Amino acid sequence: NAGVTQTPKFQVLKTGQSMTLQCAQDMNHEYMSWYRQDPGMGLRLIHYSVGAGITDQGEVPNGYNVSRSTTEDFPLRLLSAAPSQTSVYFCASSYPGGGGETQYFGPGTRLLVL
Amino acid sequence: GENVEQHPSTLSVQEGDSAVIKCTYSDSASNYFPWYKQELGKGPQLIIDIRSNVGEKKDQRIAVTLNKTAKHFSLHITETQPEDSAVYFCAAFTSGTYKYIFGTGTRLKVLA
Repeated sequence: NAGVTQTPKFQVLKTGQSMTLQCAQDMNHEYMSWYRQDPGMGLRLIHYSVGAGITDQGEVPNGYNVSRSTTEDFPLRLLSAAPSQTSVYFCASSYPGGGGETQYFGPGTRLLVL
Repeated sequence: GENVEQHPSTLSVQEGDSAVIKCTYSDSASNYFPWYKQELGKGPQLIIDIRSNVGEKKDQRIAVTLNKTAKHFSLHITETQPEDSAVYFCAAFTSGTYKYIFGTGTRLKVLA
């Protein structure tokens, strides 16, 4: 199993550009989520999905869109990048059960918006 | 909104000493509490977790304790080694909302 994979590893954007951060998992996990990590602020939930066709907002959803057409993939879209979106983005997946389950994280995408 | 407070933000210990990191959560419905270790340039990795029906769990040099009444949980690392140096995150999960809320992290430095 490859686990959770993310592409690209690093990206530089200009303000106003759009891009999609890719996330895929091969563990048949129902739950997938996107976090951003900023210095001193830990991991903040952007969007999450409890299964194909179902998405919901997290703590900091503004400026980001997601979709979940398959169990394996959960892309994160930035429609018009802003410098405030400079961050490290992590995708995670888990198989929800009674009482919570282990989240597996991808290696991250480092995004710089100029 | 719900939050998780984590202390301290940085912690330096001598090799062989113990390290303790504490977290407090606000959502009384939270029922799963994982701890993650993040090394430089990598994603967080689970090191230990505890569910709300258990008060303590131990795995070799690592232990976690949970006080549901006080809404506190703590990570204990004994006999620290230089390779324990990393950033550690606590989190609280509420199964009814499917949301994980993370603490702000603790940078642990183990001095040789």
